[in-house]
Amino acid sequence: AQKITQTQPGMFVQEKEAVTLDCTYDTSDQSYGLFWYKQPSSGEMIFLIYQGSYDEQNATEGRYSLNFQKARKSANLVISASQLGDSAMYFCAMIYNQGGKLIFGQGTELSVKP
Amino acid sequence: DTGVSQNPRHKITKRGQNVTFRCDPISEHNRLYWYRQTLGQGPEFLTYFQNEAQLEKSRLLSDRFSAERPKGSFSTLEIQRTEQGDSAMYLCASSLATGAPNEKLFFGSGTQLSVL
Repeated sequence: AQKITQTQPGMFVQEKEAVTLDCTYDTSDQSYGLFWYKQPSSGEMIFLIYQGSYDEQNATEGRYSLNFQKARKSANLVISASQLGDSAMYFCAMIYNQGGKLIFGQGTELSVKP
Repeated sequence: DTGVSQNPRHKITKRGQNVTFRCDPISEHNRLYWYRQTLGQGPEFLTYFQNEAQLEKSRLLSDRFSAERPKGSFSTLEIQRTEQGDSAMYLCASSLATGAPNEKLFFGSGTQLSVL
């Protein structure tokens, strides 16, 4: 069965510093995709970054990068130069096979300190 | 570019009452999903549609829950005889089906249901 694990319930980071949010996954499928979503207090899930299982390079989207280590089954999110607006819940998720449903981790609450 | 719209944003109801939520997806998207999120947890899949066809339902979706997407556009999620355990955020998402694992889901802001 597919599973996503986020072991950090909460993280603190100083403004302008970088932070890494951990995510490990479990699947027996060869073809899958990994996502990170941000959920601010307003409730909306905002897409941040995507990594495909066959992608050889780590994905980057602006200040977000995904440290993909396939052998370790990890897909950590790195946020560079943290901003106060980055304070939110962050969810790692996996999609597999023919697409469709996402499986989410339990989330990490990130707090950025001024 | 209009995103996914959900109404209402908040719903308070008494136990035993029926409630209905609406989701309007991004117009060109053919897939629509419903998720449920309780406090401190990630969203859990409930059901999804491709066009008007309901392709999959989670075991979480009891007989009291029904979802429709009659014309392949907006969708409604109805909960009959609500229970306190139904209190949660109900999230809708839409996507353009690609058949590949890079299918990006775009979420609405959710409907927060409180059952008293």
